[in-house]
Amino acid sequence: DVKVTQSSRYLVKRTGEKVFLECVQDMDHENMFWYRQDPGLGLRLIYFSYDVKMKEKGDIPEGYSVSREKKERFSLILESASTNQTSMYLCASSFRVERDGYTFGSGTRLTVV
Amino acid sequence: AQKVTQAQTEISVVEKEDVTLDCVYETRDTTYYLFWYKQPPSGELVFLIRRNSFDEQNEISGRYSWNFQKSTSSFNFTITASQVVDSAVYFCALVNRDDKIIFGKGTRLHILP
Repeated sequence: DVKVTQSSRYLVKRTGEKVFLECVQDMDHENMFWYRQDPGLGLRLIYFSYDVKMKEKGDIPEGYSVSREKKERFSLILESASTNQTSMYLCASSFRVERDGYTFGSGTRLTVV
Repeated sequence: AQKVTQAQTEISVVEKEDVTLDCVYETRDTTYYLFWYKQPPSGELVFLIRRNSFDEQNEISGRYSWNFQKSTSSFNFTITASQVVDSAVYFCALVNRDDKIIFGKGTRLHILP
């Protein structure tokens, strides 16, 4: 079974802190994605990556950056956390998106206080 | 523009009733792929089904069935004889030509015992 593992299930951080959300997949997938999920807004794409050291902005990249130094790991970075970044963050990976869809991690619920 | 609309924000039905979740999509592509995902309270999105635009056959999997109609750009999902374990948020999604998944905003389904 493909596994996408997000390092933390729940996280509480203070405003202004630099926050790292880690995501690791174990099936050699090229494609990795970060979404945030908010009530009434559904899933919104923050950043994605189709290869190592490659990154592309999604629909809402402001306030975030990413790092993909190794194929299996895709990190989301909140440079200076703010309360409006309180959300559920979902990582996903895929080999061929149109054929396989995504495999999701179980999510990280981040609260910024 | 590509878009997925799930008009039903929240539905409640009594256990053993049938329920249909609506999904309408927009795309100019002739080749596209549609998905349904389930998000139980645990948070992880689980893949349910994939359909490509050339395959209009309806699909049945146990109590689940899907009705794909290109003429109305709809890909509806029916649960027959619903059970409490079906309570979840359900997302309909479309893969675009950039290999990213566009999600609807989800339908929260409550199955009441």
